[in-house]
Amino acid sequence: DAGVTQSPTHLIKTRGQHVTLRCSPISGHKSVSWYQQVLGQGPQFIFQYYEKEERGRGNFPDRFSARQFPNYSSELNVNALLLGDSALYLCASSPGLSNQPQHFGDGTRLSIL
Amino acid sequence: AQSVTQLDSHVSVSEGTPVLLRCNYSSSYSPSLFWYVQHPNKGLQLLLKYTSAATLVKGINGFEAEFKKSETSFHLTKPSAHMSDAAEYFCVVSTTFAAGNKLTFGGGTRVLVKP
Repeated sequence: DAGVTQSPTHLIKTRGQHVTLRCSPISGHKSVSWYQQVLGQGPQFIFQYYEKEERGRGNFPDRFSARQFPNYSSELNVNALLLGDSALYLCASSPGLSNQPQHFGDGTRLSIL
Repeated sequence: AQSVTQLDSHVSVSEGTPVLLRCNYSSSYSPSLFWYVQHPNKGLQLLLKYTSAATLVKGINGFEAEFKKSETSFHLTKPSAHMSDAAEYFCVVSTTFAAGNKLTFGGGTRVLVKP
C-alpha cells in the first residue's frame, strides 16, 4: 500500500514569493495534518484538516493557509515567503481524529533565498 | 498545555551496547505517547505507541519504552544498538482539543552508533 506522498520533494523560492505544497494521504485516511520542521528542531504543528474542514491551527501567521479536497488530499499554501520559512514541511495522515498514530510523508524541503 | 522534554540532545553508543533515550512529559490527563525515528532527509517513522493498555510497550526493530506515571517519563530503550539505529528520535505526545488533535514533539535526540 502506498504511504503518504508529498510533492515536490525540494523547492527553492525567493523572499516574497508564494508556494503550494501537496500531500496525498494513505488510502482510507480522512485526516491530514501539516508540520514545519526547522533544521535542528522537532516538527511544529501548523494545521489539521478532517472531512475538508480545518480542525486545528498552530501558532503560525495568516500567510499560512491550507485546504483539503474531496479525495482527502491537501495543499499547504504560504504567501509572502520569508527567509525563516525555510524548513522541511511534513504531511501526516490518520484515519480519524482520535489519538491514533499519524503517518508521515518524506516531506518537502523548502529553501528561501 | 501538554509538553515533552527529551533530556539528551545527543547520545553516542557503541554497536552492540544498550541504548537509552530519556523523555519526560507534561500532561493534565492520561496521555497518548509515541516515539518516532527520523533518518536523514526522511520523514518520521513510528517506532511505538502508548495508549494506556500496558506500561511496557514493544515497538519495531527491537525498541521498547516504559511508561511511568509517577515519574511522568516514557524512556526508550534497545538492548543492543545496530549501525542502522543512527538517526534522530522524537518523543511525542498527542493532544486532543475541541475539534481535533495534534502531535507535540520533543526537541529530539540524535543517536550516533560507533563501530
